[in-house]
Amino acid sequence: DIQMTQSPSSLSASVGDRVTITCRASQSISSYLNWYQQKPGKAPNLLIYAASSLQSGVPSRFSGSGSGTDFTLTISSLQPEDFATYYCQQSDSIPITFGQGTRLEIK
Amino acid sequence: EVQLLESGGGFVQPGGSLRLSCAASGFTFSSYAMSWVRQAPGKGLEWVSGISGSGGNTYYADSVKGRFTISRDNSKNTLYLQMSSLRAEDTAVYYCAKSVDMTTVDYFDYWGQGTLVTVSS
Repeated sequence: DIQMTQSPSSLSASVGDRVTITCRASQSISSYLNWYQQKPGKAPNLLIYAASSLQSGVPSRFSGSGSGTDFTLTISSLQPEDFATYYCQQSDSIPITFGQGTRLEIK
Repeated sequence: EVQLLESGGGFVQPGGSLRLSCAASGFTFSSYAMSWVRQAPGKGLEWVSGISGSGGNTYYADSVKGRFTISRDNSKNTLYLQMSSLRAEDTAVYYCAKSVDMTTVDYFDYWGQGTLVTVSS
């Protein structure tokens, strides 16, 4: 199985900050990497697919990059509604696996 | 508008069984692979099982293989998860999720609201 490791596990930031979350795969997954946002009590919401493609309706302050084993999710200017937990997910092979999550909190 | 509505969750004793359903609307159900993803209380996301649009191919996480069965009824636009030999560690919110491809369980562009399964004596 492909292991996905996110860092950091939690992060405190302020509105307007630029934030980067990283995700590392245990083996190469090409660009089969996706990012989700989850708010408490809600289902996850797809932000980025195929490493760098922005899902329809997602604000442009979200961006993704990387290939192979190392990936990043960047939020260019944090907004109040961005405080949530973020998960990466690989879709290179079955079983599908997720990172452990990064909790983004207000400083 | 795409909608996924899960049902069937509840309280069950260890060793028991439960069947979850996910009613889909707003898209051509048979054209997309579907999955179940669960989240234990306070924990992260875990993919459980997936099925191709035709239902001909099914996939499972090792943690549920042999105990859970995924299926779909394309005439009813409904996805199912039959769960048996349930364990305490199966306690979670179970989400159904739509893939963007017919044959491949890849990433998930729509999710249901989830249904809670609690396994406890």
